[in-house]
Amino acid sequence: EPEVTQTPSHQVTQMGQEVILRCVPISNHLYFYWYRQILGQKVEFLVSFYNNEISEKSEIFDDQFSVERPDGSNFTLKIRSTKLEDSAMYFCASRRGFLIGQYFGPGTRLTVT
Amino acid sequence: SQQGEEDPQALSIQEGENATMNCSYKTSINNLQWYRQNSGRGLVHLILIRSNEREKHSGRLRVTLDTSKKSSSLLITASRAADTASYFCATDAIIQGAQKLVFGQGTRLTINP
Repeated sequence: EPEVTQTPSHQVTQMGQEVILRCVPISNHLYFYWYRQILGQKVEFLVSFYNNEISEKSEIFDDQFSVERPDGSNFTLKIRSTKLEDSAMYFCASRRGFLIGQYFGPGTRLTVT
Repeated sequence: SQQGEEDPQALSIQEGENATMNCSYKTSINNLQWYRQNSGRGLVHLILIRSNEREKHSGRLRVTLDTSKKSSSLLITASRAADTASYFCATDAIIQGAQKLVFGQGTRLTINP
């Protein structure tokens, strides 16, 4: 069964550094998402992406964040200058259509020191 | 705001018993989805129920949806130790192109052998 994959599984970075989190959505899916989950808290929506552009973003998704689908298979989340409060599990998700569930990747645990 | 809220926050039962978790939300939805998350791991999609459906089954899972009360329940029958995890409901509303899932805080389910 096809799966969403994410790399790396764990990323440790120093405050102020740039990080890029990578995702490979399921191949015939059209809608792509990033969510994050701070330890012990609920999953929060960051951004949705369709037809090569952002369709919605949350208040969390400020100018430090960007997303890209550089080559038709990868979907990346970049944080330009990480802050301590960016430490969280970041999940990528994809879906084929609105009437079908979103399928999540295993997540990347980002630790900012 | 549209938000899934699970009840109870934690549930501990004996193996073989049934587990019921509830979810309430505030706004109109297109569908509601349930996910499972093992500690520190990714989100596993369990079941999606559309707003025009009242009940759905998948193996030992039974989900109900009452749109008049804006609530849903997830029943796991004949629970097993491997069912120990956190369970989240997530509501899906498509409003002017918005496609995000809004997650509740989750119910932490512990199955005691």
